[in-house]
Amino acid sequence: KQEVTQIPAALSVPEGENLVLNCSFTDSAIYNLQWFRQDPGKGLTSLLLIQSSQREQTSGRLNASLDKSSGRSTLYIAASQPGDSATYLCAVRPGGAQKLVFGQGTRLTINP
Amino acid sequence: EAQVTQNPRYLITVTGKKLTVTCSQNMNHEYMSWYRQDPGLGLRQIYYSMNVEVTDKGDVPEGYKVSRKEKRNFPLILESPSPNQTSLYFCAVGGGTRGYEQYFGPGTRLTVT
Repeated sequence: KQEVTQIPAALSVPEGENLVLNCSFTDSAIYNLQWFRQDPGKGLTSLLLIQSSQREQTSGRLNASLDKSSGRSTLYIAASQPGDSATYLCAVRPGGAQKLVFGQGTRLTINP
Repeated sequence: EAQVTQNPRYLITVTGKKLTVTCSQNMNHEYMSWYRQDPGLGLRQIYYSMNVEVTDKGDVPEGYKVSRKEKRNFPLILESPSPNQTSLYFCAVGGGTRGYEQYFGPGTRLTVT
């Protein structure tokens, strides 16, 4: 059974810092991995999608990497801003499955 | 603009009173799914649909029904809601050329008393 873990559960950093959020999964047989952002009381916004054959994806100040063999992904946020404060969720789509398996999320706070 | 819409956004109801949460998409995607989000349990899939008239159970289907009569709509039906179905519900849509990147609706907060 695929399990996804995100550490730390919460992170608070000053504005302007570069930071890394971590995601690990137990089964390397995945179709893809997706990072989401969730603001309080709001829906999930897709940030980056990495296919199993890819190593990384970039969008603006965000860069996500995937090491399928070790079961790890990282989300790198450059030059953090207060508007980046949110919960970040990592989800994998297991091979052959029609669902996403989510981690519990990292609650990020960027302090001005 | 690509959109996933859910209605209602907030609902307070009583045990046993049937309700339907609607989900609609304008992306012409085949795949649609329902998740519930609970503190400490995260997001879990309830049901999914690969296309019109094709639905299947997810991880927590008990107490829920779905139907897919049109490609754009995928309603979630609670025929006899119970307090343990109090949760935040999300509809997800996936497909297209980007390997089933999934897009989520804004959520429906349901309280069953």
